[in-house]
This record gives sequence, C-alpha cells and structure tokens, in this order.
Amino acid sequence: DTGVSQDPRHKITKRGQNVTFRCDPISEHNRLYWYRQTLGQGPEFLTYFQNEAQLEKSRLLSDRFSAERPKGSFSTLEIQRTEQGDSAMYLCASSLARLHRGKRGNTIYFGEGSWLTVV
Amino acid sequence: KNQVEQSPQSLIILEGKNCTLQCNYTVSPFSNLRWYKQDTGRGPVSLTIMTFSENTKSNGRYTATLDADTKQSSLHITASQLSDSASYICVVTWGGGGNKLTFGTGTQLKVEL
Repeated sequence: DTGVSQDPRHKITKRGQNVTFRCDPISEHNRLYWYRQTLGQGPEFLTYFQNEAQLEKSRLLSDRFSAERPKGSFSTLEIQRTEQGDSAMYLCASSLARLHRGKRGNTIYFGEGSWLTVV
Repeated sequence: KNQVEQSPQSLIILEGKNCTLQCNYTVSPFSNLRWYKQDTGRGPVSLTIMTFSENTKSNGRYTATLDADTKQSSLHITASQLSDSASYICVVTWGGGGNKLTFGTGTQLKVEL
C-alpha cells in the first residue's frame, strides 16, 4: 500500500491551456474525493466518487472542470481553458466506505496534492 | 449552514510546552469529527477520528476530545516538538452516508526553541 498518489506534483501552465491531474487512490478504496486548497484556507470540496459513479459535484466545479473515474480505480481531474483563479493545490483523497465487504474503515487518506500555477 | 470554526487562527509556543486547539461546528446530521495535521505544501494526514459516542481519542502526544452536546472539540498536544509546526485542521463528516466533509480553516501552529 503506497498511499494516495497524485501526478504531477507541480504544474505551471499558461492561461487558456488545459491541464489534467491524475489520482491513484489506495487500492480497494471505493470512495475518491477531489478538493481544492488555496494558501491559508482549508480544502474545498469539488467532487466525490463511489466506485466509478460521480455522486456529487460542488458548485465550485464550473463547466471547465471535469472529473472521471472510469474503472473505479484511478481518477482524473481536467481543467479546460485555465484561468489565474484556478491556481491552487488540488488534493485527492480516498477512503473505504463503512462495512464494505465486511470491513469497517472510514479514515480518509489524502495525497500530497498537485500544485497548479496559471500564469 | 454547515460550518466548522477553529481557534486560535495561529499559535506560537516553545518546544516542550503543551497547547490546546479548539473546534466548534454547526453540522447536521453529524457523522464523525476528524483532526488532520497538514505540513506546508503537503497533503493532510489523519490524527484522530471520533464518532458521536466517543469523548476522547489519543494518538501519541495528540489527544482529541469531543462534546457532541455543545458541538465542540479540542486537540491537545503534549510536550510539543519542532516537528509539530504545521496547520491543524478540524473536519466534520456529515450526511447520511458520512460522505460529506466540512473543513475548518485550520490553526497554524509554530513551535520554537
């Protein structure tokens, strides 16, 4: 178990370009979350998957943002036509839903984040 | 509105001293309360998780308390070390499936020699 992995760790892009972040959750974790965090603030919820189903999206997630988890394992977060206001750390987290397959566990594990700077 | 408020916003203490961080929440329906430690530029790391029926939970030098009646929690750090310097974030999980999280803005702790 290598924890939640995010790639890339840092990305600098020009305004208007598209960027994609990848998250590999802890294996067998059926829940996957995306958050955005700016300096001095707590993480803000973006979206949440249970297996491959995207169950909830925040109003923060404009139509320029899209997230997928096609096989219920890794997930991608794409930002199209980036704006300077998108500059933030994008955090991925995963957890095992309670009583899944008889195992109780609800610790939510975070990755190290992907820093995005839009110039 | 579901909110999590933390105090103080920042704190500076000397190495070896104890400190207590506070968290107040207005979240319903409550599922559990978590404390995370976040080093600058890193992802949050879980310290404790407490459900409605738990009053206290320890993890090494960290002890969290929960008063579900007053909707308050505290994180007590004993014998602080320089490596404790970080942001400590209170997170309340809510909703029927326990899948909704509301984060506090954190307490920035600095431990000095």
